[in-house]
Amino acid sequence: EVQLVQSGGEVKKPGESLKISCETSGYSFISYWIGWVRQMPGKGPEWMGIIYPRDSDARYSPSFRGQVTISVDKSVSTVYLQWSSLKASDGAMYYCARSQYRGFDSTIDYWGQGTLVTVSS
Amino acid sequence: QSALTQPASVSGSPGQSITISCTGTSGDIGNYNYVSWYQQHPGKAPKLIIYEVSHRPSGVSDRFSASKSGNTASLTISGLQAEDEADYYCSSYTVDSVLDVFGPGTKVTVL
Repeated sequence: EVQLVQSGGEVKKPGESLKISCETSGYSFISYWIGWVRQMPGKGPEWMGIIYPRDSDARYSPSFRGQVTISVDKSVSTVYLQWSSLKASDGAMYYCARSQYRGFDSTIDYWGQGTLVTVSS
Repeated sequence: QSALTQPASVSGSPGQSITISCTGTSGDIGNYNYVSWYQQHPGKAPKLIIYEVSHRPSGVSDRFSASKSGNTASLTISGLQAEDEADYYCSSYTVDSVLDVFGPGTKVTVL
């Protein structure tokens, strides 16, 4: 059974750094693209970026390029999303998401349970 | 701001059929057959119910069907049930990004 299990919710202050994780199981981690999706309250999801664990090839949506970093640790089948300096506007629900991406069509076949990030002074 | 547009809400009585539209452009829905639909219940992660315009993943009820005409994709829920009350999001490949774009979502209410 494919499972994507995310780290717990976080409460941070503006300017702080943060790294959240998504541990996967039940499939070959290096064979599927996996990435992160942001969902603001009451809004549609937004792809942030995606990475291919086999070679760490990462692609980012224009709105998020340079704002976050996506990385993997193949030894523990885990993908990470990292901010170096959070803004209040980064507060949202973040989902990790597996896709059979081929350079186009990033349909998501499995989702994590979500990590709520709250950024407030 | 989503590049795709959806009605904010659609409602129907149990047993009825409803249709949700998702309108894009020739740069996404109009010229590519990579439209997906997701169902999201409150407090839960989205779930894939349609991919590549009209294909259902294994385990998804055949009460869900979808199609595309021109720049508009449509999701139809037949035999509406209480459990279908949720938010529904379309997404599509777009020439404007390396990753798919999502619609703003449609809240389905079962009366």
